[in-house]
Amino acid sequence: GENVEQHPSTLSVQEGDSAVIKCTYSDSASNYFPWYKQELGKGPQLIIDIRSNVGEKKDQRIAVTLNKTAKHFSLHITETQPEDSAVYFCSARAAGNKLTFGGGTRVLVKP
Amino acid sequence: DTEVTQTPKHLVMGMTNKKSLKCEQHMGHRAMYWYKQKAKKPPELMFVYSYEKLSINESVPSRFSPECPNSSLLNLHLHALQPEDSALYLCASSRKQGSDTGELFFGEGSRLTVL
Repeated sequence: GENVEQHPSTLSVQEGDSAVIKCTYSDSASNYFPWYKQELGKGPQLIIDIRSNVGEKKDQRIAVTLNKTAKHFSLHITETQPEDSAVYFCSARAAGNKLTFGGGTRVLVKP
Repeated sequence: DTEVTQTPKHLVMGMTNKKSLKCEQHMGHRAMYWYKQKAKKPPELMFVYSYEKLSINESVPSRFSPECPNSSLLNLHLHALQPEDSALYLCASSRKQGSDTGELFFGEGSRLTVL
């Protein structure tokens, strides 16, 4: 089955700096890679996703990149703000299969 | 309406109790999911319902019993739980299961404590 590794497990950044979270996956058939943000006491919420036919996708301060050859994908948050503090999960799915989550990254943005 | 609503938000139960968690969505989604999340861990899939039929059971103990009364509702019946079952139980829904599932929408979860 699919295995998704996520690094780092914790990330502390100064407000206004950038944050980068990296994930690798094992199943070459995976073709959908969503990222979820989970704030304290809430359920995960989709913040951005990318499909295997695209190498990069951007939405305001958030961008994701995908390298299918190397089987890794990354989340980039620019100009971080205190409200970006949360746990972020990468995930991967092959068609018809279940979503597999990475271990999560706890991001703390210090004002 | 892009919400998945879960009740109760908090539940404390003894090991001999019977209780239920409820989940509701009105997005017309035909796939609904139960996940279990322990502290500082990712969500773990428990069950998937597709078109109101159970399609995936991730080898979950029988003390957890899911039910999908209709396309908008999903229940999780709990009986004779153990303290290690204490966790956040998340419900989710998607347009459908399988290829082109679409976005997974999560509820805010029911935090369960088993004494």
